[in-house]
Order: sequence, then C-alpha cells, then structure tokens
Amino acid sequence: AQTVTQSQPEMSVQEAETVTLSCTYDTSESDYYLFWYKQPPSRQMILVIRQEAYKQQNATENRFSVNFQKAAKSFSLKISDSQLGDAAMYFCALGGGKSTFGDGTTLTVKP
Amino acid sequence: SQTIHQWPATLVQPVGSPLSLECTVEGTSNPNLYWYRQAAGRGLQLLFYSVGIGQISSEVPQNLSASRPQDRQFILSSKKLLLSDSGFYLCAWLVRGYSGELFFGEGSRLTVL
Repeated sequence: AQTVTQSQPEMSVQEAETVTLSCTYDTSESDYYLFWYKQPPSRQMILVIRQEAYKQQNATENRFSVNFQKAAKSFSLKISDSQLGDAAMYFCALGGGKSTFGDGTTLTVKP
Repeated sequence: SQTIHQWPATLVQPVGSPLSLECTVEGTSNPNLYWYRQAAGRGLQLLFYSVGIGQISSEVPQNLSASRPQDRQFILSSKKLLLSDSGFYLCAWLVRGYSGELFFGEGSRLTVL
C-alpha cells in the first residue's frame, strides 16, 4: 500500500520570505508521479506542481519548486517570496487518479 | 475549456435521510471520474472511481454508493445517512496527458445531524 506523510500540520511564514513544506512517501512502484495541491479557504483544490519520478531534475513553477529525493522518498515544496494569497492547505499526493494524499499542511502567511 | 460542477455546495441532513450529490464535467468526453471525501483537517480519501458509463469501482466499504448514468455525470448517493458521513466531498476528473493530475470540483459540504 502507498502512504504519504506530511509531518507539519501547520506552518507560518512572513510575507516575502521562503518556506518549505515537507512530505515523505512510500511506494513499491519504480515509476510514479508526485503532486502538490493547494486548497485555499475558498476550498477548490488546485494543482501547484508535479514531479515525475524518473526525472532527476526538480520541478519548478514560478515561485514554487520541489526538492525530490527519490532514494529518501522525500518530496518537499519550497515557496519563495511568499504572498498573502499563498495561505492555504497544501496536500502532497502520490500517484494518479487513485492518488494517495497526505493529511495536509496549513500554511499561514503573515503580513 | 474543461470545467467540473458540483452541487449542492452545502447540505445539512438528518441521520437516516437519503443523499444525492451530483458532479458534472464539461469540455471533455469519457473522463475518468472520482469521488473523494475529506474529513475536517485531514487528507482526501478515495471513495469511488469510474472509467465509463455504468462502471463504478468502490475503494472503501461504507454507507455510500455511486452511479454514472451519463458520460459526464457522476452521482454519490446514500439511502440512509450516518453521522460519520459528514465531510467535504470532492469530485475530480483525471486530466489526460498530464500523468495523473486531478482537476477538482468546488466540493460539497455535508453535515449530518
């Protein structure tokens, strides 16, 4: 069975600073995909970034980047230049349609 | 463009009453559709998925059922709600060509009293 663990239930960051959200996972698959989703207070879940396990290069989307350590089964999300609009719950997920989700990290951005 | 609609957005129901949550996708055909439930402050639990009309797979034994009467319609139902059915229900569509990205609806919040 696949598992995803987010060990930080809550995180806070000062506006314009950088924050890193942690995620570890376990799977017996050799090829898989990892995702970070954002769920703002309006509640619609949206994709932030995806990483293909066979790619060694870490994915980047504007201010969002990941640190993917395949051997350690770690997949952290770094948010640079944090903005008030980044405040949300962030979910790490493993897989595709039948994704396994972590319990989420609530990110607070302080002005 | 593709969109996904869920309704109702909010629902308060007494224990023992029936339930019907509807999800409709626009802008795509033959989508893979999913129902997830999110308990308060928790991650998402996959309940059902469907790869086509009339094809339903259940991931977790529970008091709920799902149906797919049309290609772009996915319905979550219950004959008799339990307190434990309370939660936030999300319908999602598997985006093709993006290696497993899910596109979510806005969700339906169910409170069972």
